[in-house]
Amino acid sequence: EAQVTQNPRYLITVTGKKLTVTCSQNMNHEYMSWYRQDPGLGLRQIYYSMNVEVTDKGDVPEGYKVSRKEKRNFPLILESPSPNQTSLYFCASTPDERASMSYTFGSGTRLTVV
Amino acid sequence: GENVEQHPSTLSVQEGDSAVIKCTYSDSASNYFPWYKQELGKRPQLIIDIRSNVGEKKDQRIAVTLNKTAKHFSLHITETQPEDSAVYFCAASINSNYQLIWGAGTKLIIKP
Repeated sequence: EAQVTQNPRYLITVTGKKLTVTCSQNMNHEYMSWYRQDPGLGLRQIYYSMNVEVTDKGDVPEGYKVSRKEKRNFPLILESPSPNQTSLYFCASTPDERASMSYTFGSGTRLTVV
Repeated sequence: GENVEQHPSTLSVQEGDSAVIKCTYSDSASNYFPWYKQELGKRPQLIIDIRSNVGEKKDQRIAVTLNKTAKHFSLHITETQPEDSAVYFCAASINSNYQLIWGAGTKLIIKP
């Protein structure tokens, strides 16, 4: 089944404790992206990657890191999480086909930083 | 850069009535306009999209219209049903760089 898999689905952590949220897609998509969703603010892009070893900042990159060492994986790293990073996070991917822009989203990761 | 505004933020309609959500965009080079539906606790999913060479597209009870001159596009849902209750997001993109610029979302409530 074609899908984007995020883990974990839920995470409660303490301020300053490094964490990684994993994202993996099995569709051979070139483009992957991370979003955070907060009430009233919609989907805000954190980072995106247009190919292996190519990453770039989105609208709200502060406090986050990403890597794209292989096409299928795009982990989101919070080196020192803070309470303002409590949010719902989505990973998404889309194929390298400019006529088709359908994003496939993961199931989301609800992160709480206390 | 591109900016997408979405209105209203909340829309409440009687079951069976129609619902219309409108988005405006700023960059006239935008040529791809998708709509995503996010049910409570679930991921956003594409429900319909339109490209700039088309003025209207329909899929059963949903339709999207595009006015390139005015730089706005709208989602129309007819004969609304309880399962239409969700948050709807519009977006716009200049196809050349994959970037989708998102609206803030509209919470659609279908009243029984």
